[in-house]
Amino acid sequence: DAKTTQPTSMDCAEGRAANLPCNHSTISGNEYVYWYRQIHSQGPQYIIHGLKNNETNEMASLIITEDRKSSTLILPHATLRDTAVYYCIVRVNSGGSNYKLTFGKGTLLTVNP
Amino acid sequence: NAGVTQTPKFRILKIGQSMTLQCTQDMNHNYMYWYRQDPGMGLKLIYYSVGAGITDKGEVPNGYNVSRSTTEDFPLRLELAAPSQTSVYFCASSHSPGQGAEAFFGQGTRLTVV
Repeated sequence: DAKTTQPTSMDCAEGRAANLPCNHSTISGNEYVYWYRQIHSQGPQYIIHGLKNNETNEMASLIITEDRKSSTLILPHATLRDTAVYYCIVRVNSGGSNYKLTFGKGTLLTVNP
Repeated sequence: NAGVTQTPKFRILKIGQSMTLQCTQDMNHNYMYWYRQDPGMGLKLIYYSVGAGITDKGEVPNGYNVSRSTTEDFPLRLELAAPSQTSVYFCASSHSPGQGAEAFFGQGTRLTVV
């Protein structure tokens, strides 16, 4: 799987948009970008994923650059409950051992009142 | 719908003891994973399985063993516990590729080896 680079930590004011960047400059054509988050002491939670088009769901939006070397997760109106570690992961979406899910260190997002 | 269930939630083990961390899922997922997370660190993949009877090593498999005799269960075995295995252990499961991307995680087992 391609490696990802994320900032160690970020702050955001409550009610504002949180934009979390991820660099994946060595991503290959068949690798997807996934985002998970982990609220303190809990198991990680899936947020969103995409290949090359921008994606949106009820939790967040994912913007992937045209060259696919970086992406941004957007939480449109951050709340205090969004304080968590956010993980950006790239992996293939085909079968066998390449489908394993490998985490990096992630970004600690702190939403401030 | 229970999702992924891990037992026990907490355990204190003495050095050299053995134990099995249980993980079961009721979503008929083929893929299952075991991770450990040390304080302040990210998740490290220990073992994973792509279906019943098939397992493979992850990043940090030493000191652990797994089996996958059924689709539902994926137990993790510690044979000779060491202080370095003090960690929080998470089990996860997911659909096969093309059937959905989301991985579901259990709430973790907090293990202390003294």
